[in-house]
Amino acid sequence: DIQMTQSPSTLSASVGDIITITCRASQTINNWLAWYQQKPGKVPKLLIYKASTLESGVPSRFSGSGYGTTFTLTIGGLQPDDFATYYCQHYNSYSGTFGQGTKVEMK
Amino acid sequence: QVQLVESGGGLVKPGGSLRLSCAASGFPFSAYYMSWIRQAPGQGLEWVSHISTTGITIHYADSLEGRFIISRDNDKNSLHLQINNLRADDTAMYYCARFRWGEDIPFDLWGQGTMVTVSS
Repeated sequence: DIQMTQSPSTLSASVGDIITITCRASQTINNWLAWYQQKPGKVPKLLIYKASTLESGVPSRFSGSGYGTTFTLTIGGLQPDDFATYYCQHYNSYSGTFGQGTKVEMK
Repeated sequence: QVQLVESGGGLVKPGGSLRLSCAASGFPFSAYYMSWIRQAPGQGLEWVSHISTTGITIHYADSLEGRFIISRDNDKNSLHLQINNLRADDTAMYYCARFRWGEDIPFDLWGQGTMVTVSS
């Protein structure tokens, strides 16, 4: 199984900050990488797929990049609604492995 | 209304079995891959299984040791997950999700989840 590792595990930030979360795959996954946001007690929400394609309705301050084994999620100008846990996911027709999550908390 | 609604969770003793269901509505269920994902209390997301549109192609996470069986009934717009020989570490919220594999889009629609608690 391909392993997905996110860093950092926790990120303290303030409203207006630009933050970056990194996700690394244990082997190349091309661009089969998604990002999700989950708030406490809520269902995960798809933000980005194919590493850099923004899901419909997701604000443009969210962006994704990367190819192969290293990927990033950037939030350009953190908003109060963005404090949440973010997960990366490698997906294809036979796998759907998630990273362990990154909690973005208020500084 | 486009939605997924899970059911079938509950309190089960170790070694028991449970069959979870996911009712789909508002979209052509038979046209989509479907998946199960679980989340233990306070923990991260864990992919469990995918099933293809026809149910012929099925994949599971390697860690599940063959105790899980995914199935679907396209006539009834329903997805199922049979879990056998339940263990304490199977305690989790179980979500079903739509997987738009044909469009390269992963889990864009999730149910609210059904809670499974394994305890004596």
